[in-house]
Order: sequence, then structure tokens, then C-alpha cells
Amino acid sequence: QLQLQESGPGLLKPSETLSLTCTVSGGSISSENYYWGWIRQPPGKGLEWIGNIYYSGSTYYNSSLKSRVTISLDTSKNQFSLKLSSVTAADTAVYYCARRRGGSSGLDYWGQGTLVTVSS
Amino acid sequence: QSALTQPASVSGSPGQSITISCTGTSSDVGGYNYVSWYQQHPGEAPKLMIYDVSNRPSGVSDRFSGSKSGNTASLTISGLQAEDEADYYCSSYTSSNTWVFGGGTKVTVV
Repeated sequence: QLQLQESGPGLLKPSETLSLTCTVSGGSISSENYYWGWIRQPPGKGLEWIGNIYYSGSTYYNSSLKSRVTISLDTSKNQFSLKLSSVTAADTAVYYCARRRGGSSGLDYWGQGTLVTVSS
Repeated sequence: QSALTQPASVSGSPGQSITISCTGTSSDVGGYNYVSWYQQHPGEAPKLMIYDVSNRPSGVSDRFSGSKSGNTASLTISGLQAEDEADYYCSSYTSSNTWVFGGGTKVTVV
């Protein structure tokens, strides 16, 4: 059974860089035809797609975050990561990692989510 | 990329059917058969309920069904049960090679 687990600092100060890692177990992030992505949810609000990375390394980002976001793969550790620079209070959210099969629209496996709070 | 439009709330009695709409544009919902629906209970991660407009993942009850007409996709829950009370989100692929979610709909079983 595939499992995803987010990890990273839960508290950041404004202007710092958010760095989160998603560790995948029960499957390989190098498997062909899968996308690995990040979604966030501010407290009490809806879901926002941040971006995803194809198994080959191609990346796709939300245009509103593109200038601040980087998603990368670490195949040696079976992990993928999210970096979001210059954070503000508006970036406070639960951050989820998830998987999508290529050629399909469904995010079929999700991590449990991790709360990141930005506060001075 | 603007969020897809969903009603803020929908309610129904046990056993009834309800439908949640998800309206986008020809650049997202209307242009591709890449619409998915997610159920989220409080404090939990979203769960995939429907993908590619009308397909159900293994293990999802057949009381959940999806459809699309033009720029609007719909999720129907038939035989409403107490456990269906949750937030529901739609999502679509876009012409910008990105994905967008709807604002979410709170389903209440009264």
C-alpha cells in the first residue's frame, strides 16, 4: 500500500523559505507515468493546487506561486520536496503531498498533511 | 487561474439524493474530461471519490456518481447517509497545463 508522509518545520517567520519533504513508501517515485504534487489548505478555507513534478523531473506550477515555488525529486531517498520562498502569513496552511497517475485526473494517494504557520 | 465555482452548502435528508455543481470555463471543465471530486472530513486529508468526470476508484460507494455538461460538472450522492456529511471539492485540468480546485461545498445531512 502506497503511503506518503510530509515533514518539515511547522513554524516560520515572514520572508523565510518554507521547505517540506514528502517521503513515499510502498512504491517508487521513479515509476513511469506518475505525477507527485503539493496542495495546500489555509485554516478554514479550500484547497489550492501548488504544483507537481513528473517522474522524469518536469515541473508544473500554479501561476500565482510560480515565482516562489520549486518542486524537486530525490530518487535516492524516494522523496520529493517543496520550497516556497519569501513566505508571509498568507502562506499559513496545511500542506499536503499527493500522487496522480498520468493520463488521469485523480489524486489517488495523499499524505496526512502538515500545518505550517508563518508568524513573527 | 480562478477557482471553480461550487455552492457553499448543500443539505439533504437521509436517503435522499443531492447534486453538487462545479462550474468553470471552456479552458478547464468544459475543455477536458479531467474533472475529479474529493471528500474531506474535518481534520482529515481529502479522499478521491470520482476521477475523469465519472469514474469511481475501487472502494468508493456506487452511491457517488459524476457527470459533466458543457462547463459544469456535477457530483451526485444518492441514498444520502450520515457519513456523507463532509466538504466536497471538485478539481479540473486547465489549458495552462495546471490544475484548479473549486471553493468547496459543505454537505449537511439533516
